[in-house]
This record gives sequence, C-alpha cells and structure tokens, in this order.
Amino acid sequence: NAGVTQTPKFQVLKTGQSMTLQCAQDMNHNSMYWYRQDPGMGLRLIYYSASEGTTDKGEVPNGYNVSRLNKREFSLRLESAAPSQTSVYFCASRPPGQGNYGYTFGSGTRLTVV
Amino acid sequence: DAKTTQPPSMDCAEGRAANLPCNHSTISGNEYVYWYRQIHSQGPQYIIHGLKNNETNEMASLIITEDRKSSTLILPHATLRDTAVYYCIVRARNNAGNMLTFGGGTRLMVKP
Repeated sequence: NAGVTQTPKFQVLKTGQSMTLQCAQDMNHNSMYWYRQDPGMGLRLIYYSASEGTTDKGEVPNGYNVSRLNKREFSLRLESAAPSQTSVYFCASRPPGQGNYGYTFGSGTRLTVV
Repeated sequence: DAKTTQPPSMDCAEGRAANLPCNHSTISGNEYVYWYRQIHSQGPQYIIHGLKNNETNEMASLIITEDRKSSTLILPHATLRDTAVYYCIVRARNNAGNMLTFGGGTRLMVKP
C-alpha cells in the first residue's frame, strides 16, 4: 500500500517553462489536495478536489491549474513558471467521514524556478 | 476555524517528556483540537485529536483544559526522531471540508 505518491521528487525549471506535478493515491479516497510550503512557513492550499470531476480554488491558486483525471490521480500544472513558485509541493488525500484527522500526505516535490 | 497560538520553537532532552502548548482562546463548542507534525522534508502526519476529554494513543497524549481555551500535546519519552514541526489546528468536525489550515507550528528539537 503506497499511500500518496508524488512525481517527480525534485525539479528545476527555467522561468517561463511549464510542467505538471503528478499525484496518485491508492487508498480509494474521495478528496485530494495540493499544498505549497515555502521555506520556514506553514502549508498553504493551492487547489483541492472534493470528489472526482470537481475542483476548487484554495488560498493561493494564481499561476496554477489542476486536473482530477480520475479518482486516483490529481495533477498540478504550472503553465509559465516564475521564481515565486519555488517551493515544496505536497499532495494529500482524505477519505469521506474521517474529518480532519484522515489526511494522508505525499513526500513532496521540491521545485526550483531559476 | 479558531485561531491558535504556539511557541515558535522548543527544546527537549532525549528520553524526557516533551510538552507542546497551544492556545485557542476563541474555540467554539463544536470545534476539535487536532495535532499534526512534519518531520523534515516529509509531508505532515496526523498525531491525535480531541474535543474536551484528554486523549491518548500510541504516539502521544492530548490534555485539554476544562475551559478548552488551551491544550498540551505530550510526547512521553521523546526520541531524536520526534524532532519536527508540530501543528495545532482547531476545526469543527463537520467542517471536514476542504481546507486544512496550517499555521507556523512549534519547531521541536530533541537533543541527545
């Protein structure tokens, strides 16, 4: 049981390049989330998907797009990367009914934009 | 969600109890206290949660004051692997929805 898997683990982009961060969970969870964490800061929600086929903006959505490809996969796309998007990105998922203690997080993608 | 206040950092000797405080003076009656931790370079990990009674599991104990305005997470025998940032989060259980908000947390350093 792998839990939440994120790829890639590390990435360096040049300003203006695009890329997609992948996230997959094998726990049959309904809700999935993308957070970013800047150095020395807490996590901030970028986008979330309450269920397959739905997505909604979080606290800091600008510069990002998401796709809930199916129940397992939730991808985050940077169309034109900027240095301000240098951060660690975490994907998380949560099953229905477990409230605020059922979150499972991936190990993160460390993105540097130069 | 109620606002929480935690000290930015704490030290603890290995093998001793680590007591991490959290103030949540504006907590409302239907809000729970949740604790997560984040070990360096990893995603956050759920530890424990409670409403008003003290709670204990295999990882930690949670002590909530009678007026529920503050709580303490206790790691009874801290190890070096407990070095992490600990987040106290206050939310209503039925606000299971879609934004778990992390503040600055407490950076716990367990020292040999």
